[in-house]
Amino acid sequence: DAGVIQSPRHEVTEMGQEVTLRCKPISGHNSLFWYRQTMMRGLELLIYFNNNVPIDDSGMPEDRFSAKMPNASFSTLKIQPSEPRDSAVYFCASSPLSLNRVVNTEAFFGQGTRLTVV
Amino acid sequence: AQSVTQLGSHVSVSEGALVLLRCNYSSSVPPYLFWYVQYPNQGLQLLLKYTSAATLVKGINGFEAEFKKSETSFHLTKPSAHMSDAAEYFCAISGGSNYKLTFGKGTLLTVNP
Repeated sequence: DAGVIQSPRHEVTEMGQEVTLRCKPISGHNSLFWYRQTMMRGLELLIYFNNNVPIDDSGMPEDRFSAKMPNASFSTLKIQPSEPRDSAVYFCASSPLSLNRVVNTEAFFGQGTRLTVV
Repeated sequence: AQSVTQLGSHVSVSEGALVLLRCNYSSSVPPYLFWYVQYPNQGLQLLLKYTSAATLVKGINGFEAEFKKSETSFHLTKPSAHMSDAAEYFCAISGGSNYKLTFGKGTLLTVNP
């Protein structure tokens, strides 16, 4: 398996523009996480999907952020409109975690998308 | 709520010296604990994990960590540092019904020749 695949690796956009980040999880994994990494706040969980259903989006900063998982092999994180403070590295991670199982399964991370909003 | 605290945002060691990266946790339920490593411009890679089977956990690249409930600690060690160990290391926790991996702030390890 190629692991978690994120695209693009780098994105530079102007303030006010829409940005879409993409993620392909590891095949067979039924949990997907979006994290944001910044120097100031470290790694923050934005949203968690299980079996394509959003379970917890309490980490999504505001309404400008939205995430979808239309099927088991694809997820998007969209920012509209983007702002300079959204500049960060966004990671997607997947896990074979099941909500009904003991929670001891690690998450597998993609390479991240470095977003710069100017 | 669960949390981890990594003591020291930056640790510098000489090549061949002992590596000790500290992590203390807080959890009201039996925790699952993880150490991840992040190389520059890369994603996070799992080094090792504690899942209550054994308190001393061995991971990849010669790293190990010991779970000490009495000290609420899960420190990461390696007997002899190598230049290739230079990276940022993150401690993380989950457990109970908490599917979230909550990360510490990270410790940047520098290895000097």
